[in-house]
Amino acid sequence: SQELEQSPQSLIVQEGKNLTINCTSSKTLYGLYWYKQKYGEGLIFLMMLQKGGEEKSHEKITAKLDEKKQQSSLHITASQPSHAGIYLCGADIGSNFGNEKLTFGTGTRLTIIP
Amino acid sequence: EAGVAQSPRYKIIEKRQSVAFWCNPISGHATLYWYQQILGQGPKLLIQFQNNGVVDDSQLPKDRFSAERLKGVDSTLKIQPAKLEDSAVYLCASSLWTGGDTGNTIYFGEGSWLTVV
Repeated sequence: SQELEQSPQSLIVQEGKNLTINCTSSKTLYGLYWYKQKYGEGLIFLMMLQKGGEEKSHEKITAKLDEKKQQSSLHITASQPSHAGIYLCGADIGSNFGNEKLTFGTGTRLTIIP
Repeated sequence: EAGVAQSPRYKIIEKRQSVAFWCNPISGHATLYWYQQILGQGPKLLIQFQNNGVVDDSQLPKDRFSAERLKGVDSTLKIQPAKLEDSAVYLCASSLWTGGDTGNTIYFGEGSWLTVV
């Protein structure tokens, strides 16, 4: 079984609508990373969360890590075509601060329709 | 600041042939990773280097895959002989190593797409 579960696997959203992607683990997440990937390209770093209850925002994207550090959510407000792509959560499950080793979820494919 | 550089971007080879991928990390980044991403899946760690030493290669299929980082800077990942199931994107990533209690951002390159036919 996957150590990191992402949901949903795919999402089709009308432009301007809000959406949420979830990332869940049965283990404690010592560092939770969100990346975006477009087809044919590498991973673009979005945000990193470490502390339970932490929340970070960048432009219209907000990421949260729950108090137990086993679940994270990525929320996009007023979605735009530029938000389309694959969103991946990656986590360090081994408390290797300073020497991280990431395990990834399978990704969420986001499509924005006009 | 220059990002993680990888080459070649695309490679098509026949099964049983060999292939090599090159990665140059961000300047000053001591930690270098090679990940394999099969279509429709998340990246899977193959090997992690700290300077020129191997930290973790537990998921590297050592019968056919090898990687080196001789001078602690750039790195090469080789596959010999290639199998059909090796078709994937090979992603190189790098980060600073602090060894402390704060996390480090891990930056990825554009990836090298391998198709084995």
